[in-house]
Amino acid sequence: NAGVMQNPRHLVRRRGQEARLRCSPMKGHSHVYWYRQLPEEGLKFMVYLQKENIIDESGMPKERFSAEFPKEGPSILRIQQVVRGDSAAYFCASSPRMTGTGDGYTFGSGTRLTVV
Amino acid sequence: QQQVKQSPQSLIVQKGGIPIINCAYENTAFDYFPWYQQFPGKGPALLIAIRPDVSEKKEGRFTISFNKSAKQFSLHIMDSQPGDSATYFCAASPENAGNMLTFGGGTRLMVKP
Repeated sequence: NAGVMQNPRHLVRRRGQEARLRCSPMKGHSHVYWYRQLPEEGLKFMVYLQKENIIDESGMPKERFSAEFPKEGPSILRIQQVVRGDSAAYFCASSPRMTGTGDGYTFGSGTRLTVV
Repeated sequence: QQQVKQSPQSLIVQKGGIPIINCAYENTAFDYFPWYQQFPGKGPALLIAIRPDVSEKKEGRFTISFNKSAKQFSLHIMDSQPGDSATYFCAASPENAGNMLTFGGGTRLMVKP
């Protein structure tokens, strides 16, 4: 089992460009979560998705950010017109089911986005 | 507001010492309290977790103490080793929140040889 795979590991974008971050959940996991970690801070929830559905996007900025988890292929976190404040580590996690709590999570190694 | 406050921000102990990391929460609906360990350049990895029906849980050298009335929980690392040097995050999840975790700010632990 390859675990939760995120790519790219590092991404550099100029201000105004688009960033696309990909996450392939563990085999058998149908729930995906995206978190953002600013330098020297804890992880902050962004969005929770199941296949073809956004379940909770309460942590997602209202503009420029979007996420999807299509029927086939990885989950994508898309950031349009990036700004320096978007520089952070973005982590994806997956779980096999919704249990009502956070158990069963497995995190990927993250994508470190740097906006120059 | 669903917040989890973690302290200290950083901690240095000698090998064999017992670092203690504390977390406090506000939301009484929190039902699951995991601790994660994160090494540089890696994602967080689940270390140990507790639910509020017990006051203590031990796994190897790691122990969680839980005080429901005070809304506090802590991580103790017995016989700490240099390999334990990492950033530790507490987290909490309320019932029926779709698995969403609320994280503390992290504690950077250094264990000196």
